Amino acid sequence: GNSVTQMEGPVTLSEEAFLTINCTYTATGYPSLFWYVQYPGEGLQLLLKATKADDKGSNKGFEATYRKETTSFHLEKGSVQVSDSAVYFCALPGSGGYNKLIFGAGTRLAVHP
Amino acid sequence: NAGVTQTPKFRVLKTGQSMTLLCAQDMNHEYMYWYRQDPGMGLRLIHYSVGEGTTAKGEVPDGYNVSRLKKQNFLLGLESAAPSQTSVYFCASSSDPTSTDTQYFGPGTRLTVL
Repeated sequence: GNSVTQMEGPVTLSEEAFLTINCTYTATGYPSLFWYVQYPGEGLQLLLKATKADDKGSNKGFEATYRKETTSFHLEKGSVQVSDSAVYFCALPGSGGYNKLIFGAGTRLAVHP
Repeated sequence: NAGVTQTPKFRVLKTGQSMTLLCAQDMNHEYMYWYRQDPGMGLRLIHYSVGEGTTAKGEVPDGYNVSRLKKQNFLLGLESAAPSQTSVYFCASSSDPTSTDTQYFGPGTRLTVL
């Protein structure tokens, strides 16, 4: 079945540093790929998504490109802020339809001033 | 428009006790989901519903039951709580079953079973 692997955290950065969080997937075909973010004390919310190969999703300065050659969907941001401190989850649909999501383990990002 | 709400926010149970977690959404979404979040394991799907009166098992359904008597509500029950069910529980909903749709999450319920 479909699965996703993302880099372990925590990732600790200084403000304005460059961020990369790696995500690779295993899937049948070319499913949509998602990044969700969980801010402290809150539920998850969609950060960005890409629905087909070579698509780039972007939001709030974050970007991720759907690369079928490397089965990857790495999350990047050129200049992180303290407010970006959160847990980031890579996800894709599981088998059987109904938009059931399979999540990676999550990567905690801490940004210091 | 409150989105997805969950009740309660926190709960402590003793082993063997029962409880029900309530999820409510005001977006008229057809599809609803219950996940549990454990350290280092991301979120795992417990049960889901594709419409009023329907439920189906997810990845980790054992020890849980669910009901969807009204479209806006999705209840998760623990009949006899076990320490292994200590977790953070998230409810989510979506309007479209296709694989491109966004899921909207509630704020979570932190459950501790002693």
